[in-house]
Amino acid sequence: GENVEQHPSTLSVQEGDSAVIKCTYSDSASNYFPWYKQELGKGPQLIIDIRSNVGEKKDQRIAVTLNKTAKHFSLHITETQPEDSAVYFCAASDYKLSFGAGTTVTVRA
Amino acid sequence: GAVVSQHPSWVICKSGTSVKIECRSLDFQATTMFWYRQFPKQSLMLMATSNEGSKATYEQGVEKDKFLINHASLTLSTLTVTSAHPEDSSFYICSATERGSTYEQYFGPGTRLTVT
Repeated sequence: GENVEQHPSTLSVQEGDSAVIKCTYSDSASNYFPWYKQELGKGPQLIIDIRSNVGEKKDQRIAVTLNKTAKHFSLHITETQPEDSAVYFCAASDYKLSFGAGTTVTVRA
Repeated sequence: GAVVSQHPSWVICKSGTSVKIECRSLDFQATTMFWYRQFPKQSLMLMATSNEGSKATYEQGVEKDKFLINHASLTLSTLTVTSAHPEDSSFYICSATERGSTYEQYFGPGTRLTVT
């Protein structure tokens, strides 16, 4: 089955700085790579996703890059704000989602 | 659009009893629904996949007789935890895939189950 590794497990950044989270996956059949933000006691919220035929995607302050050859993908958040503080999960899918372990992001005001 | 609801949002039950959790797609038809379990400070673990009108497919290690899943319509799936034990206490989250879509899953808000 698919194995997704996510790093770092915790990330503390100063407000206004950038945050980068990296994930690797094992199954070359995976072709859909979403990122979720989860706040305490709530379900995950899709923030951005990328398909295997695209190398980069951007949505305002959030961007995702994908390197299929190396089997890794990354989330970039620029100009971080306190409301960006949450747990972020990457996932890989060829139908079923396999999640990374999560990254707790804290944005210091 | 693409809203998924769960009911109840939290439930407390006594050991040995059964509890049912509902998952509804409010504004779309969900051909496939997924059930996940999440323990504190851990990631989401897929429990089972259900397609409307078909038996659910359970992940390895998930007891199908303990976690009964019914997907009777294109907008409703239920998860029943039978003979609940304290170790079943967890956050249960459902997601749904819209008809015609292969990948994107819309997640519900989750149900916190506490077994005493």
